[in-house]
Amino acid sequence: EVQLVEAGGAVVQPGGSLRLSCEASGFNVADYAMYWVRQGPGKGLEWVSLIGWDHASAFYADSVKGRFTISRDNSKNSLYLQMNSLRTEDTALYYCAKTKDGYNSDPPDHWGQGTLVTVSS
Amino acid sequence: DIQMTQSPSSVSASVGDRVTITCRASEGVGSWLAWYQQKPGKAPRLLIYAAYTLESGVPSRFSGSGSGTDFTLTISSLQPEDFATYYCQQAKSFPISFGQGTRLEVK
Repeated sequence: EVQLVEAGGAVVQPGGSLRLSCEASGFNVADYAMYWVRQGPGKGLEWVSLIGWDHASAFYADSVKGRFTISRDNSKNSLYLQMNSLRTEDTALYYCAKTKDGYNSDPPDHWGQGTLVTVSS
Repeated sequence: DIQMTQSPSSVSASVGDRVTITCRASEGVGSWLAWYQQKPGKAPRLLIYAAYTLESGVPSRFSGSGSGTDFTLTISSLQPEDFATYYCQQAKSFPISFGQGTRLEVK
């Protein structure tokens, strides 16, 4: 059974940093493109980042480019999101998700339960 | 960047009704279009991918159609568990984008 469990969400001050993790089971993260998607309070879904199936490519929304870094550790079967220079508008529930068949253009078919990031002074 | 626009933003309907939600892309996305259902406090659930392919385990009352820039999600006969928010998403090109969501409410 595929499972994704996010962790690392917290309350952080503007300008601070946070590292989110997503531990996967039931599949190998090495074999799939993986997503981070966020949802602000009462808002819709916003794509944040994708790490490609080819292990070399990473893509970011303009709103986080240069501040966030996606990575994975195949030995721990985990996905990460390093978040620097956090802003109040980064406040959201952050989901990790697995692509359906592994390719960058595939939709996410399994999602974690999310981890809450609150940026506030 | 490709903008995804859903209509309506909200819709009220009754059990048994047929409901159609539309998603328009600002430029062609081929068939790289997916639909999700999200209930309060829950993660999104994949319903349809590749514009019209039903995800495993999703009831057949859900269907998708369209290609290029115009897509629809249809629920043929609403069930009580279908009241939720629905999102479309394109993955043809980066940045990946979601529609703003359509809230399906009980009339």
